[in-house]
Amino acid sequence: GEDVEQSLFLSVREGDSSVINCTYTDSSSTYLYWYKQEPGAGLQLLTYIFSNMDMKQDQRLTVLLNKKDKHLSLRIADTQTGDSAIYFCAESILTGGGNKLTFGTGTQLKVEL
Amino acid sequence: EAQVTQNPRYLITVTGKKLTVTCSQNMNHEYMSWYRQDPGLGLRQIYYSMNVEVTDKGDVPEGYKVSRKEKRNFPLILESPSPNQTSLYFCASSLGADQPQHFGDGTRLSIL
Repeated sequence: GEDVEQSLFLSVREGDSSVINCTYTDSSSTYLYWYKQEPGAGLQLLTYIFSNMDMKQDQRLTVLLNKKDKHLSLRIADTQTGDSAIYFCAESILTGGGNKLTFGTGTQLKVEL
Repeated sequence: EAQVTQNPRYLITVTGKKLTVTCSQNMNHEYMSWYRQDPGLGLRQIYYSMNVEVTDKGDVPEGYKVSRKEKRNFPLILESPSPNQTSLYFCASSLGADQPQHFGDGTRLSIL
């Protein structure tokens, strides 16, 4: 079955880089996603990577995918206090019933001054 | 503005009193889905819909119903709510089944 794991908490200083890690178990993933959830808000799609890619860069965000180890990471360069939030990794598997998303438990990122 | 709108945002109610959480999207998306978010469990899918009149169970469908009579709306129905359905609920939609999903702001339900 599908299982997506993340560490629960990460603390960084403003201006440093943050790296949030995620491992997944299903090798038939089509897409892997990173969502951001700020307090009291819904999930905001940050970025995603197709399973046949190794890396994707989008401004301050870099996603790395290691398919062999089933490991996904999100690097945020020059982390700002506004980046403080919970970050969810999600694995997408296309089944006969459509796009099944399995989420990790989320990583709380705290950015300190 | 493209968005997924859920109502209500907050609701406190009692066991057994039927309730409906509405979800509407203005992006002409075919695929819609409901999730619940609980501490330590991440998000779990309740029901999803591939298109009008096409719905199917997700991972945790017990105690819930849905309908998809129109493309833009996908209400979540709790016929007889119980305290274990106290949770934060999210509706999401996407253009197609294999496209990124866009989420609403969530509905926090408390069942006493």
